[in-house]
Amino acid sequence: AQSVTQLDSQVPVFEEAPVELRCNYSSSVSVYLFWYVQYPNQGLQLLLKYLSGSTLVKGINGFEAEFNKSQTSFHLRKPSVHISDTAEYFCAVRARDSNYQLIWGAGTKLIIKP
Amino acid sequence: DADVTQTPRNRITKTGKRIMLECSQTKGHDRMYWYRQDPGLGLRLIYYSFDVKDINKGEISDGYSVSRQAQAKFSLSLESAIPNQTALYFCATTSGDSRTDTQYFGPGTRLTVL
Repeated sequence: AQSVTQLDSQVPVFEEAPVELRCNYSSSVSVYLFWYVQYPNQGLQLLLKYLSGSTLVKGINGFEAEFNKSQTSFHLRKPSVHISDTAEYFCAVRARDSNYQLIWGAGTKLIIKP
Repeated sequence: DADVTQTPRNRITKTGKRIMLECSQTKGHDRMYWYRQDPGLGLRLIYYSFDVKDINKGEISDGYSVSRQAQAKFSLSLESAIPNQTALYFCATTSGDSRTDTQYFGPGTRLTVL
């Protein structure tokens, strides 16, 4: 079975500052890794995903994440945030031998301070 | 127009009432999912369907039922609503290999059971 831990429920950061949202996972098998974003009053949309290959993955809106197998982490980063990045961010994993189920973290709310 | 639509967007009902939440998609995807989102818990899978004749329970299917009326339509029913079913409900779709493919979410239905 897999599990996902997002270590921070909220992350406040000043506009134009860098940010890192942390995600750790547990799994006995290889996994695919995802970050989704939920803007206020909207559904979720894919930010980026790691399937294989390069451990540094670039996504939309200037976000990137790095897969670290030894630390079982997939932290999300952005060098300079904007007020429009205010949203809730969800990390998710799927076992490579599973054909349906994403396991979701509890989410991290990114709060941008002007 | 949105690719994945959900109706209603908001619903308040009373304990014991039967409720149906509807989802329609124009993406032509075979695979559809119902999730519920609770604060601090992330998303949990209720039911999923890989085609019209293939419906499967997720991790929290008790108290819920579904109907896949067509490739484009997937409805979620609460036969006798209870207060702990108060949550935000999302429908999602994927195509092809759901191990790696993107999930596309509807805008959500906020359900309150009094």
